[in-house]
This record gives sequence, C-alpha cells and structure tokens, in this order.
Amino acid sequence: GAVVSQHPSWVICKSGTSVKIECRSLDFQATTMFWYRQFPKQSLMLMATSNEGSKATYEQGVEKDKFLINHASLTLSTLTVTSAHPEDSSFYICSASGEYYGYTFGSGTRLTVV
Amino acid sequence: SQKIEQNSEALNIQEGKTATLTCNYTNYSPAYLQWYRQDPGRGPVFLLLIRENEKEKRKERLKVTFDTTLKQSLFHITASQPADSATYLCVLEPGGGGADGLTFGKGTHLIIQP
Repeated sequence: GAVVSQHPSWVICKSGTSVKIECRSLDFQATTMFWYRQFPKQSLMLMATSNEGSKATYEQGVEKDKFLINHASLTLSTLTVTSAHPEDSSFYICSASGEYYGYTFGSGTRLTVV
Repeated sequence: SQKIEQNSEALNIQEGKTATLTCNYTNYSPAYLQWYRQDPGRGPVFLLLIRENEKEKRKERLKVTFDTTLKQSLFHITASQPADSATYLCVLEPGGGGADGLTFGKGTHLIIQP
C-alpha cells in the first residue's frame, strides 16, 4: 500500500533557528501534498496545500514567509519553519495524494522550540 | 462555518462490547466521509471511507453508517479489544480525485477496558 515517510519524528530547536521537515511518498507519485498542524487534543488544521512544481496554497492565517513549503518532485515535499518561536511548538503532519491513492499520512513530527 | 462534532472526548467501553462513535456535521455537504485512527504521537491511519450515496460500509469488525439527511455518521467497532483504544477521527471530504483537502473533527478518545 501507499506509504508516506516523514522525518524527523521529533526535533528540539532553539528559538530563532529554522527547522526543516521532510515528507516523502515511497511507492507512489504524490501530485498533491498537504501540511497539517495539530495542537494537543485538537483537530488537525490544514496549513497549506502544495502541488508538484508550483507554489503552495496557504490557508488563511498561516504565514507563508514563516512556513516555507517546497514540493520540487513528485515524491518529496519539505516544510521549513523559519525563525521558530515557542508558539510554533506543535505536531506537524504531512499527507500525500496521488492519482490512484486517497490520502496517506506521515507519522508526524513533534517540534519543540525552546 | 463548517463544523464537525464528535460525540465526546473520551468513551470507555468494556472489552467485547460494541463501541459506537458519533460524528455530526453542519454547513457542509461532503461527497465522502472518512474515519481515521490516530494513536498518540502518530499520524492518522485510514480506516474506512463512505460515499454520500452509500448508507453503510463494513470492514471486518468495523461498520460505518452515513445519513446525509441527519448529517451524521456512526462508527461501530464490534467485539472491541484493548488494542482498539485510540483516538478516532471523523473526516469530511468535499469531492473525490484526491486533490482536495480534508476537514477533521477533534476526534473521540476510545478506551477499551479489559
């Protein structure tokens, strides 16, 4: 079945630094990738949608200059949290969809900014 | 605005009994409704999808119903086991094709007691 690999699974960084999270589709081509953020006991909130080779579409309230998304190939999308602050600490999850698959989610990345 | 309500934040069920989880939605006409399982610190895992023209869908011990008039879906786990303990997410999808985002409920935390 479809597998999405997300790395790292957890990361701790200092305030002001940048963190990159990778999302790879291992056995299918993901034409569209989604990035979500989830706070404790809350639902997943869509941050942005990216299609391979084009700019990401951000949801209202999500700063595109802070959360840089790159979807340069059909199997890889990256989310970079720039100048991270403690309020950016959250659980980030990617999801990928392709021509023949529905939605497959990565295992998530726990970001802690100290 | 679109709203998804899941019946409770925590549901305790005795092992062997049937667990029933409720999902109600407003201001939405989804073409598909999905149920996912999410374990702590992990990404969601797809369980079942039911289309707007389907009343019921089954998969092993799982059963989902979809009433578009009541705007409600019920998710049943029969012969429940402690391993079924997790958070179950109700997810709405506006259309097929795998290119649209999903709207997530907060989830119901299910605890199966031995």
